[in-house]
Amino acid sequence: AQSVTQLGSHVSVSEGALVLLRCNYSSSVPPYLFWYVQYPNQGLQLLLKYTSAATLVKGINGFEAEFKKSETSFHLTKPSAHMSDAAEYFCAVSESNYGGSQGNLIFGKGTKLSVKP
Amino acid sequence: DGGITQSPKYLFRKEGQNVTLSCEQNLNHDAMYWYRQDPGQGLRLIYYSQIVNDFQKGDIAEGYSVSREKKESFPLTVTSAQKNPTAFYLCASSIRGTSNQPQHFGDGTRLSIL
Repeated sequence: AQSVTQLGSHVSVSEGALVLLRCNYSSSVPPYLFWYVQYPNQGLQLLLKYTSAATLVKGINGFEAEFKKSETSFHLTKPSAHMSDAAEYFCAVSESNYGGSQGNLIFGKGTKLSVKP
Repeated sequence: DGGITQSPKYLFRKEGQNVTLSCEQNLNHDAMYWYRQDPGQGLRLIYYSQIVNDFQKGDIAEGYSVSREKKESFPLTVTSAQKNPTAFYLCASSIRGTSNQPQHFGDGTRLSIL
């Protein structure tokens, strides 16, 4: 069964500093991986997705993530944090079982990012 | 613009009452999902539907019910059997049966107990 672990429920960085949010997955088949962002009292917005085309994936708002099969990781990074990046971030793996659940997402518990001025 | 509309944004439930959360999408997606979000717990799947007139239980279906009579609509009823309904509820949709396609989310409904 697939699963997702996000290390660190809270991460705090200074404005202009590197943002690194960690995500590790387990999957017995090649995974499809996603990062979503959630602002307070809103739904989730897709930041980027990995679907095996390229290991370095660029997303919106200057974020990118690198798929590392050997480390079973898909960490999210941004070179320079902005105050508007303060939000909660979720990593998800797509369930690839056939028979009805294909396309279901398994989410990590989320990492709340704070950005200090 | 295409998207997912959830209503109401805030909902209050009295003891012993059933309440229904609305979810409508105009993305022409076949698959729809309901999640429950509690602080620090991520998103947990309640029910999903891959096609009209068919739906499946997710990980925490007890105390909830759904229907899927139209492609665009997937309402969730929180029944009186759900003893701890206070949470943020998110509806999502996606292209059916494709693991590499993302889910698109509504803005959620926050349910509280009076």
